[in-house]
Amino acid sequence: NAGVTQTPKFQVLKTGQSMTLQCAQDMNHEYMSWYRQDPGMGLRLIHYSVGAGITDQGEVPNGYNVSRSTTEDFPLRLLSAAPSQTSVYFCASTTLAGSANEQFFGPGTRLTVL
Amino acid sequence: DAKTTQPNSMESNEEEPVHLPCNHSTISGTDYIHWYRQLPSQGPEYVIHGLTSNVNNRMASLAIAEDRKSSTLILHRATLRDAAVYYCILRDRGTYKYIFGTGTRLKVLA
Repeated sequence: NAGVTQTPKFQVLKTGQSMTLQCAQDMNHEYMSWYRQDPGMGLRLIHYSVGAGITDQGEVPNGYNVSRSTTEDFPLRLLSAAPSQTSVYFCASTTLAGSANEQFFGPGTRLTVL
Repeated sequence: DAKTTQPNSMESNEEEPVHLPCNHSTISGTDYIHWYRQLPSQGPEYVIHGLTSNVNNRMASLAIAEDRKSSTLILHRATLRDAAVYYCILRDRGTYKYIFGTGTRLKVLA
């Protein structure tokens, strides 16, 4: 299993540009989520999904869109990038079965907005 | 959403036990207590979780107060590889939301 994969690893955008951060998992996990981590800070939840076709907002959803058309993929879209969105973005997934619900994190995408 | 409070940083000597505290006074009866750690330049990784009873696994132990308003992650013998930021998280079983706090940066001294 590849686990949770994220692309790209690094990205530089200009203010106002749009882009999609990709996240995929091959563990058949129902739950997927996106976090951002600013320098020296903890992770903040952007959006999450408990299954295909179901998404919900986290702590800091403004400026980001998500969709979940398949179990495997959970892309994060920045519609009009702003310097405040410079951060490291982590995608995570977990099963909803049982009580452990260990989240598996991807390696992250480091985004810089100029 | 229930919040957690952790000390910003702690230090430990190598091969000594480490007790990392977490306060969660607004915890609800359905919240699970999870601990994750983040090594430098990596994504977080799962350490342990519990609901009411103390828990042990190969990485650590989790001690949960009887009133569940606090918990302690115990690393029995700290190694240099345990230097990381440790996050205490309450998982809302109803919505499955995981809300990270700012974590405790653990420094292990050789």
